[in-house]
Amino acid sequence: DAGITQSPRHKVTETGTPVTLRCHQTENHRYMYWYRQDPGHGLRLIHYSYGVKDTDKGEVSDGYSVSRSKTEDFLLTLESATSSQTSVYFCAISESRTRSVEQYFGPGTRLTVT
Amino acid sequence: DAKTTQPNSMESNEEEPVHLPCNHSTISGTDYIHWYRQLPSQGPEYVIHGLTSNVNNRMASLAIAEDRKSSTLILHRATLRDAAVYYCIRYSGAGSYQLTFGKGTKLSVIP
Repeated sequence: DAGITQSPRHKVTETGTPVTLRCHQTENHRYMYWYRQDPGHGLRLIHYSYGVKDTDKGEVSDGYSVSRSKTEDFLLTLESATSSQTSVYFCAISESRTRSVEQYFGPGTRLTVT
Repeated sequence: DAKTTQPNSMESNEEEPVHLPCNHSTISGTDYIHWYRQLPSQGPEYVIHGLTSNVNNRMASLAIAEDRKSSTLILHRATLRDAAVYYCIRYSGAGSYQLTFGKGTKLSVIP
């Protein structure tokens, strides 16, 4: 199994509160991704990173920011959480971005915004 | 990435082979076919991928039609641990290199 951990695994927070989710990898992979999974929508990409301090927006980036100061850590921040951001968040990593390379996913963080 | 079409659900008896179909009729010549699965309360797990020819690994086999408009994921002996949602993904590698997950096929394995 790829060495990917996410923290926290579960979090309940109130609307308007800032929240930071952490993804940590031990594989030294260059590319890291944040997805969210909601019923009826499948997994959707929020942000991704192609190196330290290099990030870009995905399909559903509004309301989220990311940072990557070290190869192994990719942080997802909800500046002011809303109920629509209640979801399961998955981090993924990949060695490269070619079509023939697989992504490895972390165990997920279940976030509930009340 | 354009969509793929999979049955919503399938059932299999334990220790029997399972063939999970996927249609991707508008696939381009450079798109790879990736398969992932997601067990309950877990993150997606890579299964296999291929371009044109059939592929085998320790988890499964992937049979790709000659015209590449469809593919079949083959689990040779289903176990209870194989009960999951299986996603067939047409991966163009364009833009953000996002994997676009559809609704997948929910596989139930009957003991």
